[in-house]
Amino acid sequence: QQQVKQSPQSLIVQKGGIPIINCAYENTAFDYFPWYQQFPGKGPALLIAIRPDVSEKKEGRFTISFNKSAKQFSLHIMDSQPGDSATYFCAARHTGKLIFGQGTTLQVKP
Amino acid sequence: GAVVSQHPSWVICKSGTSVKIECRSLDFQATTMFWYRQFPKQSLMLMATSNEGSKATYEQGVEKDKFLINHASLTLSTLTVTSAHPEDSSFYICSASKGPEQFFGPGTRLTVL
Repeated sequence: QQQVKQSPQSLIVQKGGIPIINCAYENTAFDYFPWYQQFPGKGPALLIAIRPDVSEKKEGRFTISFNKSAKQFSLHIMDSQPGDSATYFCAARHTGKLIFGQGTTLQVKP
Repeated sequence: GAVVSQHPSWVICKSGTSVKIECRSLDFQATTMFWYRQFPKQSLMLMATSNEGSKATYEQGVEKDKFLINHASLTLSTLTVTSAHPEDSSFYICSASKGPEQFFGPGTRLTVL
């Protein structure tokens, strides 16, 4: 019940495409859902986050869509660029701790 | 901003020695810091929660006597890997809480020979 399931495991898109990464959870006590971007050998960087009472949040080229009834949320990257190639992790917070998804490796081809 | 630093960024040590990793929040105070471990191409695994002025809370399966955590101030937490062995080789990452958000350090690559 504490798991966050993330898909796909890997994703390849062309420059300008809109990759979509999905996450699903079971525990309705999760109260905060961030997305992180991680480059090889670096720590994760917070991209965008949403609370469960909001259905969508947009920051720059990154958009989170949140479906509370389905217990799913997703990250959309608009106008993707080769520099967006990285591993993306969704997470969910419970009692202050983050539970991470398995990660999605995104490759944006020029 | 919310900047978290770690030191060292990488360390190589001999089996049986102890290694200390520092995590600092540079521009904010963090009552709570977290320590994670990450194996290649895997997700982050929470090891422990570090609260300033109190004992750390360890996740199930994490040996508290092996991974000593001290949170001496609102800007500094340390992780000491005691009697390190090759299986402890990993990427260790800390994070610090600022409100609902967690900001991560750049990580420390530990290699135990």
